Amino acid sequence: NAGVTQTPKFQVLKTGQSMTLQCAQDMNHEYMSWYRQDPGMGLRLIHYSVGAGITDQGEVPNGYNVSRSTTEDFPLRLLSAAPSQTSVYFCASSRGVAGYEQYFGPGTRLTVT
Amino acid sequence: AQRVTQPEKLLSVFKGAPVELKCNYSYSGSPELFWYVQYSRQRLQLLLRHISRESIKGFTADLNKGETSFHLKKPFAQEEDSAMYYCAPLPYSGGGADGLTFGKGTHLIIQP
Repeated sequence: NAGVTQTPKFQVLKTGQSMTLQCAQDMNHEYMSWYRQDPGMGLRLIHYSVGAGITDQGEVPNGYNVSRSTTEDFPLRLLSAAPSQTSVYFCASSRGVAGYEQYFGPGTRLTVT
Repeated sequence: AQRVTQPEKLLSVFKGAPVELKCNYSYSGSPELFWYVQYSRQRLQLLLRHISRESIKGFTADLNKGETSFHLKKPFAQEEDSAMYYCAPLPYSGGGADGLTFGKGTHLIIQP
């Protein structure tokens, strides 16, 4: 049982490039979410999904797209990278939203130059 | 709007001293309450949840409904407690993005 996995661990992009951060979970969790972690800002929700085919925006969705074609996978796409998107990105999953523990991936450290 | 407040960005205490990390929330109803911990360059993990009433690694968290607080406490800090701590009061009703909200975190540093 691998839990929540993320790839890559590190990535450097140039401004304007696009890329996809991968996230997968093997716990059959319905809920998945993406956060970015910045110094002094804590964890901010980017997008989340309550099940396959259903996604919604969080606090800071601009510049990011998501899709959820399967229960297991929840990729995050950066459409045109900007230096403001330099951050550590965490994927998380849970059985539900209210009152359920979230399980986090190891994170992806992204630098945009 | 639902709010979670961790007033201290940084808290530095000496080894052996008591620790209290503050968390205040403003939610309607009674939320489930969690503390998550992130050790250096590791993933976030659950430290404890209110409903289980347990002590993990010497930490306890007291729910004060009157003050809407869920402060994390430990009587004697250890160097391995140095980490980022996030409070997450998650509402039972409504769900959606409100159920995925964390405080901004407190960086706890234990000095030798």
